[in-house]
Amino acid sequence: VQLVESGGGLVQPGGSLRLSCAASGLNFSNLWMNWVRQAPGKGLEWVANIKKDGSEKNYVDSVKGRFTISRDNAKNSMHLQMNSLRAEDTAVYYCVAGLGYWGQGALVTVSS
Amino acid sequence: EIVLTQSPGTLSLSPGERATLSCRASQSVNSNYFAWFQQKPGQAPRLLIYGASSRATGIPDRFSGSGSGTDFTLTINRLEPEDFAVYYCLQHGTSPQTFGQGTKVEVK
Repeated sequence: VQLVESGGGLVQPGGSLRLSCAASGLNFSNLWMNWVRQAPGKGLEWVANIKKDGSEKNYVDSVKGRFTISRDNAKNSMHLQMNSLRAEDTAVYYCVAGLGYWGQGALVTVSS
Repeated sequence: EIVLTQSPGTLSLSPGERATLSCRASQSVNSNYFAWFQQKPGQAPRLLIYGASSRATGIPDRFSGSGSGTDFTLTINRLEPEDFAVYYCLQHGTSPQTFGQGTKVEVK
């Protein structure tokens, strides 16, 4: 099983970034997918998830209206479109399949 | 939102000792949707326990989970050197999913 995040980087406040997660070695279309983030030196925070078929999406309040989660089961991939980024969004973002499969994370830094 | 409060914040123990970690929820949690994770520096979290008491694949039997309702416990019997890490609880039955703030198990 492999989950590989990409798309992280440095962005100015108010800017946008799109994270991607490429999955292999698992039954992707049969799993809820999640994004979990961890600010530097802090604990874990669940950000969003998406149902197996993409028909249901949930977000933590702090990102509602700014972040959009999506998935492409044909390509075994998931995305997080992040708009209107703030300094407090700075974190390592983990792609999580179900509960047990985690990527190594993508660092997003929001700073001027 | 369900708030999970972990205690203690830090646990200082020696190898071979037993660790008892607590996670208390602000409202009742369905045990089927309660999990524990371990995280070491520079690594992604690893699932230890799901459904409050079921060990994930490959997790040694010195790790055990128990509890229901608002009180859950992770017990680590006979601490091994590789067990010193930060542990998080998670409820994923009610949106937003929420993690506890973590308990650090350190070498005494």
